[in-house]
Amino acid sequence: QVQLQESGPGRVKPWETLSLTCSVSGDSLRSDVYYWSWIRLSPGKGLEWIGYMSYTRGTNNNFNPALKSRVAISLDTARNQFSLRLNSVTAADTAVYYCARDNFGSLDVWGRGTSVTVSS
Amino acid sequence: DAVMTQFPLSLPVTLGQPASISCRSSQSLVHSDGNTYLNWFQLRPGQSPRRLIYKISRRDYGVPDRFSGSGSGTTFTLRISRVEAEDVGIYYCMQGRHWPYTFGQGTKLEI
Repeated sequence: QVQLQESGPGRVKPWETLSLTCSVSGDSLRSDVYYWSWIRLSPGKGLEWIGYMSYTRGTNNNFNPALKSRVAISLDTARNQFSLRLNSVTAADTAVYYCARDNFGSLDVWGRGTSVTVSS
Repeated sequence: DAVMTQFPLSLPVTLGQPASISCRSSQSLVHSDGNTYLNWFQLRPGQSPRRLIYKISRRDYGVPDRFSGSGSGTTFTLRISRVEAEDVGIYYCMQGRHWPYTFGQGTKLEI
C-alpha cells in the first residue's frame, strides 16, 4: 500500500523560506510512471496545485506559474523523499500542504497534509 | 488557466436521498490521446483527500458504487445515488488536462 507523509515546521516567519518533506513508502521515487506533486489548501484560494517533479519521466518538472518564481521541488531517491521549498512567504502562503502521487493527470494517493502558518 | 466552476457550493442532503454536484471547465478537457482528464475528490476532516473518480467516470478501487461520474468535454457531474452519513465532507473536481492543474471551489455536502 502506497503511503505519503508530510513533515515540516508548522510556523514560518514572513519573508523566510518554507521547507517541507514528503516521505514515500510502498513505491519508489525512481518510478518511470509517476510524477510527485505538492498541493495546498487555503481558506482564500481553495485547492491549488503547486508543482511536480519526476525522476525519469519526460518534462521532469512543472510548476504553477503563479508560484514558479518562488518554488523548488527536489527528490532524494536514497531516502525515498521529495521536498518543497517556497521562499519569501507571506500570510497568503498559510495553508495545509499536501504531497501526492501524480498518475497521468490525476492525483491518486495523497498524504494527510501538514498545516503551515506564516506569522512572526 | 482552465477555470473549474462547481455548483452548488453547499449541498444539504437527506440520508438515503440522491445528491448531485456539477463541475464546468472553461476549456475542453479532452486530450489528443482520447482521454478526458477530469477527477473527483472527497475531503473529510482529519483525513487525506481521497480520489473517487478519474477520467470522468472510472471509480477508484474501494469507492462505493453509489458514487458515479458522468459528462464530457467541459461539463461534468458527480452523483451519489443514496447519501450515507459517511459521505459528509467537501467534494472537489480537478482537471489534469492542462497545466497548471486546477480545482473547483469545492462543494460542502452536509446532512
